[in-house]
Amino acid sequence: AQKVTQAQTEISVVEKEDVTLDCVYETRDTTYYLFWYKQPPSGELVFLIRRNSFDEQNEISGRYSWNFQKSTSSFNFTITASQVVDSAVYFCALSEAITGNQFYFGTGTSLTVIP
Amino acid sequence: DADVTQTPRNRITKTGKRIMLECSQTKGHDRMYWYRQDPGLGLRLIYYSFDVKDINKGEISDGYSVSRQAQAKFSLSLESAIPNQTALYFCATSDGDSLNTEAFFGQGTRLTVV
Repeated sequence: AQKVTQAQTEISVVEKEDVTLDCVYETRDTTYYLFWYKQPPSGELVFLIRRNSFDEQNEISGRYSWNFQKSTSSFNFTITASQVVDSAVYFCALSEAITGNQFYFGTGTSLTVIP
Repeated sequence: DADVTQTPRNRITKTGKRIMLECSQTKGHDRMYWYRQDPGLGLRLIYYSFDVKDINKGEISDGYSVSRQAQAKFSLSLESAIPNQTALYFCATSDGDSLNTEAFFGQGTRLTVV
C-alpha cells in the first residue's frame, strides 16, 4: 500500500493564481515526520519543510503555506500568487520512527505556472 | 562543494555491462540511501544503510547491489545493466541521531542503458 499519496499528477495554473498541492499519508505510528521537496527542471531535490506529528500548527513562509491535519492524514501545500519559477515537481514524503526513519515519497505533482 | 556528491552525473552504458554509481558525503551522517526516480513513479528506495555494517534492501533492490565502504561512501552497482534500469538515481543521507531531520540529496545521476 502506498504510504504517501499525491493524487494530482499534473496541475497548470496561470501566474498569480493560488494553487494547493494535496498530500495524504498513511501510518500507524504515533511519531512521524512529513516533508515537502521541490524538484525544479534542473533536477535537484530541494527541501522545503519538515513537520513532526506532534505539531499541527500550520506554517507560512512567504508565499508558501502548509496545512497539516492529522484527522484527515493530510499535509497540503499552498502556493499563493504563483510565479513561473514555482514550476517544478513537488514531492511529499513521510518518515516513521517505527521503520527507523526510512523516507517514503509520493509520486509527485508536476506544477506548471503559465505566464 | 556539495554536501552529497554523486559521480558520474550522466552515464550511457550498454546492456549487460557492469556499472557503479558512487556517492560521497561530508555531512557526517550515518544513514545513506539510494533511490531511483522514474516519471510518474516518484522516488523508490533501492537500498539503505544505517551505518557502515548495516545494509538493507529497499522496495526495488533486484538487479542492484551496494557497498558501504566508509561512513562517507555508499556505492550502487548494476551487475548487468538492462534498459529498464534507465532512470535518474539519487543518493541521500540523513542524521541517524535525530529522527527530526530531512534527507539531503545529491545532484542525481542520469543513467541510460542502451
